[in-house]
Amino acid sequence: AQSVAQPEDQVNVAEGNPLTVKCTYSVSGNPYLFWYVQYPNRGLQFLLKYITGDNLVKGSYGFEAEFNKSQTSFHLKKPSALVSDSALYFCAVRASTAGNTPLVFGKGTRLSVIA
Amino acid sequence: EADIYQTPRYLVIGTGKKITLECSQTMGHDKMYWYQQDPGMELHLIHYSYGVNSTEKGDLSSESTVSRIRTEHFPLTLESARPSHTSQYLCASIPWTGGNTEAFFGQGTRLTVV
Repeated sequence: AQSVAQPEDQVNVAEGNPLTVKCTYSVSGNPYLFWYVQYPNRGLQFLLKYITGDNLVKGSYGFEAEFNKSQTSFHLKKPSALVSDSALYFCAVRASTAGNTPLVFGKGTRLSVIA
Repeated sequence: EADIYQTPRYLVIGTGKKITLECSQTMGHDKMYWYQQDPGMELHLIHYSYGVNSTEKGDLSSESTVSRIRTEHFPLTLESARPSHTSQYLCASIPWTGGNTEAFFGQGTRLTVV
């Protein structure tokens, strides 16, 4: 079975400070990992993904994520938060051996960047 | 922005009415999905399809039905709407290129049943 945990419902950070949104996963075998962002009354937008290779993945809007196999984590990070980064963030996983099964999403984390 | 469209964006409808939420994509993707997003923001997979004439139920039991007669079109129908169906509905698609491809989402339909 595949699962994703986002342990924080809400993350608050001051503008200009670094931010981290946490994600841990559970799959059999190697994972494909994804981060999405959702702004109010919009669909999900793809930010970045880890498939293989370098553990540090860079994505849109200055976000990056680090894959840590031993800790089964894929935390989303940004060196300097902007007020416009305030949104919902979803982590998702699929096992590389899972074929065509749907992505499994975490419950989401609401990020609030305070000016 | 991905080429996946949902209509209507917002809908307020009375209890007992039949409604169809539309989802279309112009990318030729084989795999399509419907998610229900509750006010607490969690996403629940309610239906998916791997191609024409293929439909499967998702993790969350839903009173809705879907059809996939054409590759580009994946409508969701509620035969008799109830207040408990009030939610945001998100449609997504993925090409048939293996599991390492990201999903593309539509803008969503916010449904309110009164």
